[in-house]
Amino acid sequence: DQQVKQNSPSLSVQEGRISILNCDYTNSMFDYFLWYKKYPAEGPTFLISISSIKDKNEDGRFTVFLNKSAKHLSLHIVPSQPGDSAVYFCAADNYGQNFVFGPGTRLSVLP
Amino acid sequence: DVKVTQSSRYLVKRTGEKVFLECVQDMDHENMFWYRQDPGLGLRLIYFSYDVKMKEKGDIPEGYSVSREKKERFSLILESASTNQTSMYLCASSGTGGQKRGNEKLFFGSGTQLSVL
Repeated sequence: DQQVKQNSPSLSVQEGRISILNCDYTNSMFDYFLWYKKYPAEGPTFLISISSIKDKNEDGRFTVFLNKSAKHLSLHIVPSQPGDSAVYFCAADNYGQNFVFGPGTRLSVLP
Repeated sequence: DVKVTQSSRYLVKRTGEKVFLECVQDMDHENMFWYRQDPGLGLRLIYFSYDVKMKEKGDIPEGYSVSREKKERFSLILESASTNQTSMYLCASSGTGGQKRGNEKLFFGSGTQLSVL
């Protein structure tokens, strides 16, 4: 059973608008979360992270929100740009042992 | 700049062949990981290692083995390749030593797209 879920396999957004990518997790012991971005034929690159002691972390156009009670996090991209088109993976730090990844959401930003 | 290098970008092998995927990192990281990426399944952990000569099974170790003879190098071995091992293989590393890690991030290589015919 997947511990990290991204229920939307794909998302299309108009350039300049907001992109919201969602992620849910089942293990309430997870306390650190990361978002990665992946272009085809390349390795994932780190985007932004959040610790469970916070409910928001911002870095430029990217903001991650964490709702611990709902075991839910979301990545907001504002404004969305065509270069943001990629697959986005949500990941959780698994007890400091390794990282558990979700299945990914493919974002398409339309010009 | 941080670098994780995977020896091959594309590889085509025959069923039953022994396959070696090599990964080298230049960041003096303690921890190294092998994942495979398949559509709809995301990144699934095959094996990881906290230190030289140490290895731990991930979620899908069957059909794979690993070798970590030097700190900077982590090899993934497919003992007898099968068609269901056709996938994108991703190596990653992270910094803090030992099993106890703080909040840190993974650095990934560019991946090896393996096709087993």
